[in-house]
Amino acid sequence: EDQVTQSPEALRLQEGESSSLNCSYTVSGLRGLFWYRQDPGKGPEFLFTLYSAGEEKEKERLKATLTKKESFLHITAPKPEDSATYLCAVQVWGATGANSKLTFGKGITLSVRP
Amino acid sequence: GAVVSQHPSRVICKSGTSVKIECRSLDFQATTMFWYRQFPKQSLMLMATSNEGSKATYEQGVEKDKFLINHASLTLSTLTVTSAHPEDSSFYICSAVTGSNQPQHFGDGTRLSIL
Repeated sequence: EDQVTQSPEALRLQEGESSSLNCSYTVSGLRGLFWYRQDPGKGPEFLFTLYSAGEEKEKERLKATLTKKESFLHITAPKPEDSATYLCAVQVWGATGANSKLTFGKGITLSVRP
Repeated sequence: GAVVSQHPSRVICKSGTSVKIECRSLDFQATTMFWYRQFPKQSLMLMATSNEGSKATYEQGVEKDKFLINHASLTLSTLTVTSAHPEDSSFYICSAVTGSNQPQHFGDGTRLSIL
């Protein structure tokens, strides 16, 4: 069974204090790993897709990296507006090819204090 | 681009009522739409996958007769919670994709409260 584990469950940072969020996965065959941001009462907002180990993607203060076992979302000099829940999800290869289904982790709630 | 609209955003109704939730892709045609359920501080749990013009594929443990899904066009899918009971209260979220190698784009969810 495909599993996605995110840690820590919650993280509180001071504005400007850089840190990393972890997503560990165990899957039969990874097709892609996705990072989303979710604000309270809203649907997830797409951030990144990573497909192969060693791949990195950046967007403003966020950088996502991928290994064969885990992914990290690095946040550099965070601001209060970066406060949200960050979700990691995996997409696997099905028996008949690419499978669009995503399996999500529980998310990491990030709070950035001014 | 890739905007998904979900309506209504909040529903409060009595036990036994049927509730319909709409999910629309506003600026793209969605080959596949997904319906999720999310409990507080929990992950998104996939309920079903729907493709335009065909029957939805339900995840194990999800009652097909309870959660009716219709995907009438490439831009609209609906989820009907039939004879809703308090245990059906949850946050329901839809998503849509343009292809199997594209990211899912999510609506803003529907908060369903059954009294």
